[in-house]
Amino acid sequence: GAVVSQHPSWVICKSGTSVKIECRSLDFQATTMFWYRQFPKQSLMLMATSNEGSKATYEQGVEKDKFLINHASLTLSTLTVTSAHPEDSSFYICSALQGASGSPYEQYFGPGTRLTVT
Amino acid sequence: AQSVTQLGSHVSVSEGALVLLRCNYSSSVPPYLFWYVQYPNQGLQLLLKYTSAATLVKGINGFEAEFKKSETSFHLTKPSAHMSDAAEYFCVAPNGNNRLAFGKGNQVVVIP
Repeated sequence: GAVVSQHPSWVICKSGTSVKIECRSLDFQATTMFWYRQFPKQSLMLMATSNEGSKATYEQGVEKDKFLINHASLTLSTLTVTSAHPEDSSFYICSALQGASGSPYEQYFGPGTRLTVT
Repeated sequence: AQSVTQLGSHVSVSEGALVLLRCNYSSSVPPYLFWYVQYPNQGLQLLLKYTSAATLVKGINGFEAEFKKSETSFHLTKPSAHMSDAAEYFCVAPNGNNRLAFGKGNQVVVIP
């Protein structure tokens, strides 16, 4: 149980275009979802926290207008990278909390999405 | 705020030898502590978690970790390394508002 999926697993886009990444909790309802960015050989950097039906909370230094997050349902959150540039190329990972029925603090991670902007 | 320290970004271990990854937390005793493993180009998978119920925690794939309050540590061990243990390992602690504090990670290389 507690499976999180991401789609697509990898994407290549041209500079200036927008890319949407989906994060789904497959067998549980996720009250809170998180988006992370990971550079090669580095740890995860939290970008934002999203709660279903409300605006995302972005970490300091993360551009809200560039990284649009929508958490429309208890099983789906999306990250849209707008007007992508090569420096946005990275590995993006989402995670989800199971809420009251799950283990506190334990986040379930998706498999990640490799974004390459050319 | 909680922070997590993992020393030695790269750890090389011979196949069959002991795996020891060190983790220290900085702040007040956390209610939970986690070790996650990440294989190349994949997400994070939970190895084990400390929940205050027991100081010695057993996880998947033969790994275990011991919580030591006096040393503010939560070191991860495995008695005998296997080639399949080659991966990145993260020590993680809760950091307020449901967020997590990640250590910098240890890249484990297993030498045949």
